[in-house]
Amino acid sequence: AQSVAQPEDQVNVAEGNPLTVKCTYSVSGNPYLFWYVQYPNRGLQFLLKYITGDNLVKGSYGFEAEFNKSQTSFHLKKPSALVSDSALYFCAVRDIGTGFQKLVFGTGTRLLVSP
Amino acid sequence: DAGVTQSPTHLIKTRGQQVTLRCSPKSGHDTVSWYQQALGQGPQFIFQYYEEEERQRGNFPDRFSGHQFPNYSSELNVNALLLGDSALYLCASSLRGSAQPQHFGDGTRLSIL
Repeated sequence: AQSVAQPEDQVNVAEGNPLTVKCTYSVSGNPYLFWYVQYPNRGLQFLLKYITGDNLVKGSYGFEAEFNKSQTSFHLKKPSALVSDSALYFCAVRDIGTGFQKLVFGTGTRLLVSP
Repeated sequence: DAGVTQSPTHLIKTRGQQVTLRCSPKSGHDTVSWYQQALGQGPQFIFQYYEEEERQRGNFPDRFSGHQFPNYSSELNVNALLLGDSALYLCASSLRGSAQPQHFGDGTRLSIL
């Protein structure tokens, strides 16, 4: 079964500093990986995805993610954090099963950006 | 272009009652998925509907059922509510066969007393 793990419950970073939110995956076959962000009392907003191609994926709001097949990781990064980036971040993998888009999510990482 | 819309936004029920949650997918999407997000956890897949049929199901009991209508909108029904059913219920829509990501609504917050 497909799965993802987010080893950090919370990441703290100062505004203007680079940030990294970690994700590792376990899949059979080629992974379809996603990052979503959730603000309080809201649903999930799509940030970026990896299907094939370049290992560095660029997404919304200045976020990017690095796919590393040998380390089975898909870490989310941003060169310069903003206070408004403070939110809950979820890594997810698409369960390829029958071809329908079932997503399997990690437990989430809370990002706190201090002024 | 309206995104995924869910109703109601909040709901309070008591144990043993039944509840129906509603979802309208993003324009152009034909597949609807439902997820349960308990407090402090990641979303858990409940089931997915395409062409008015349940296509995939997660590890949820039969108390959870659904329906998809010809206009692609969907309902999630939960019978015999338990305290543990308290959660944020998220609807997501997508286009069958597309590599594009699922789009999520803002969810329905269900509280069981």
